Amino acid sequence: DIQMTQSPSSLSASVGDRVTITCRASQSISTYLHWYQQRPGKAPSLLIYAASNLQSGVPSRFSGTGSGTDFTLTITSVQYEDFATYYCQQTDSTPNTFGQGTRLDIK
Amino acid sequence: QVQLVESGGGVVQPGRSLRISCLVSGFTFRNYAMHWVRQAPGKGLEWVAIISHDGQNKYYAHSVKGRLTISRDNSQNTVSLEMNSLKAEDTAVYFCARDGGGRHAPYYYGMDVWGHGTTVSVSS
Repeated sequence: DIQMTQSPSSLSASVGDRVTITCRASQSISTYLHWYQQRPGKAPSLLIYAASNLQSGVPSRFSGTGSGTDFTLTITSVQYEDFATYYCQQTDSTPNTFGQGTRLDIK
Repeated sequence: QVQLVESGGGVVQPGRSLRISCLVSGFTFRNYAMHWVRQAPGKGLEWVAIISHDGQNKYYAHSVKGRLTISRDNSQNTVSLEMNSLKAEDTAVYFCARDGGGRHAPYYYGMDVWGHGTTVSVSS
């Protein structure tokens, strides 16, 4: 199985900060990598698909890069509504594994 | 509007069975693969299973293989998860989600629509 490792597990930021979350796959997954946001008590929502494609309706301050084994999610100017938990997921092969999550808190 | 609504969750004793379902609307269900994802209390997301648009292909997480079975009824716009031999570690919120790739490009577009989840609690 492909293991997905996110870092950091948590981070604190202020409104307006630039934030970067990384995700590493245990083997190459091409660009079959997606990012999700989950607010407390809510279902996840898709932010980025295929490593770098912004899902419709998602603000342009979110962006994704990477291919192979190393990927990043960047929020260029964090807003209040962005404080949530973020997950990466690979769909290159089954089982489609998630990273352990990165919780973004207000500093 | 596109909508996924899960149902059937509840409290069940270890070793017993439960069937949860997801009713979809607002899109052509038969054109999309569907996933189940779960989240144990206070934990991260765990992918559970996927079923292809036509129901012919099914894949599972190792932790549930042989105990949980995914199925779909394209005439009723529903995807279900039959859960047998339930264990305490199956306690979670179960989400159904649409694979955004349609019948021609599953897996590439991520899970683009999610239900609100149904809670399954396995306890004696």
